[in-house]
Amino acid sequence: KQEVTQIPAALSVPEGENLVLNCSFTDSAIYNLQWFRQDPGKGLTSLLLIQSSQREQTSGRLNASLDKSSGRSTLYIAASQPGDSATYLCAVRRVETSGSRLTFGEGTQLTVNP
Amino acid sequence: DARVTQTPRHKVTEMGQEVTMRCQPILGHNTVFWYRQTMMQGLELLAYFRNRAPLDDSGMPKDRFSAEMPDATLATLKIQPSEPRDSAVYFCASGLRVAGETGRDNEQFFGPGTRLTVL
Repeated sequence: KQEVTQIPAALSVPEGENLVLNCSFTDSAIYNLQWFRQDPGKGLTSLLLIQSSQREQTSGRLNASLDKSSGRSTLYIAASQPGDSATYLCAVRRVETSGSRLTFGEGTQLTVNP
Repeated sequence: DARVTQTPRHKVTEMGQEVTMRCQPILGHNTVFWYRQTMMQGLELLAYFRNRAPLDDSGMPKDRFSAEMPDATLATLKIQPSEPRDSAVYFCASGLRVAGETGRDNEQFFGPGTRLTVL
């Protein structure tokens, strides 16, 4: 059974700092990994999707890496801003012939202080 | 812009009542997912559909939950009878699976959720 763990559970940083969020998964037989952002009381917003054959994806100040063999992904946020404060979730899509099941981590709650 | 929509956004009901949640996937998407989020369990997949056919509903309590897609633009999740432990935020998501590209699904896009409280 796939298990996804995110460390740390919570992180508080001053504005402008670069930071790294970590995600690990137990079963390396994945098709892709997706990072989401969730604001309080809101739905999930997709940030980045990395296919299993890729090593990283970038979008603006965000960079996500994937090391499938070691079961790890990191989300790097450069020059953090108060608007980045949210819960960040990673989810892996496992190998299935017909399915599309995502397994989510419990999230990292990020607070960027002005 | 294209978004997944869900109704109602909030629902408060009494134990034993029937609850129906609706989702409109992004036009053209062929896969629809239902998730439940609680503080204790995090995000859990309840069921998902491809081309309106249920592919996996193993995460859903069968005795009281049912999920359907009457047509390509509407997915429903029904709880009957509801119980206090069903209180959670229920998310719908949609995506596009392209035939011939096994496993290389595109991203899942989430709706805003239905916050359900069962008293």
